[in-house]
Amino acid sequence: GQQLNQSPQSMFIQEGEDVSMNCTSSSIFNTWLWYKQDPGEGPVLLIALYKAGELTSNGRLTAQFGITRKDSFLNISASIPSDVGIYFCAGRAGDGTYKYIFGTGTRLKVLA
Amino acid sequence: KAGVTQTPRYLIKTRGQQVTLSCSPISGHRSVSWYQQTPGQGLQFLFEYFSETQRNKGNFPGRFSGRQFSNSRSEMNVSTLELGDSALYLCASSRYTGAASNEKLFFGSGTQLSVL
Repeated sequence: GQQLNQSPQSMFIQEGEDVSMNCTSSSIFNTWLWYKQDPGEGPVLLIALYKAGELTSNGRLTAQFGITRKDSFLNISASIPSDVGIYFCAGRAGDGTYKYIFGTGTRLKVLA
Repeated sequence: KAGVTQTPRYLIKTRGQQVTLSCSPISGHRSVSWYQQTPGQGLQFLFEYFSETQRNKGNFPGRFSGRQFSNSRSEMNVSTLELGDSALYLCASSRYTGAASNEKLFFGSGTQLSVL
């Protein structure tokens, strides 16, 4: 099935470090969403982006809608152990298809 | 406000059987989408319903079907189960009013289906 390219696939970081991940698409999107998923649970929405160049924060999380509309970025500042999980991006084109395409996920592990 | 509720939480079936999963969206949300999540394939779109009509469908065989009721609750059915159908099935709802900000997806905890 169709998926967005998300990188890195996984990362181990020390508590307190900043984290960056990104998502790229071959298609233009009108909406980007970022989610966090804990094991055995559904994804939880972190940030939603609707305009090219938009920069939105949610606590220590900041996400940006790329100006080409084909990519998006998520940054986590001063990571803490509870940031552990899988982060997914999701994009949707404005072509009336009503479906989101999800990234392959970034697995984050924080070392205390 | 209650979130998206999926039942059952866990399900074990054998090959050839059929299964029905249920999803109750957030109150006021009219769109319900279903996704299949497996370690190898990630999150794959199954279908989306709005006002009891399927608006879009992913690339899954006809064994996968769904429906939406007038109260926006949705069910998905998988017939003639195969081993490869083992996955976490996620339901997501959105308000969908035509405004982009109302098209965010909110997920339930999922139904973990194991096919033996």
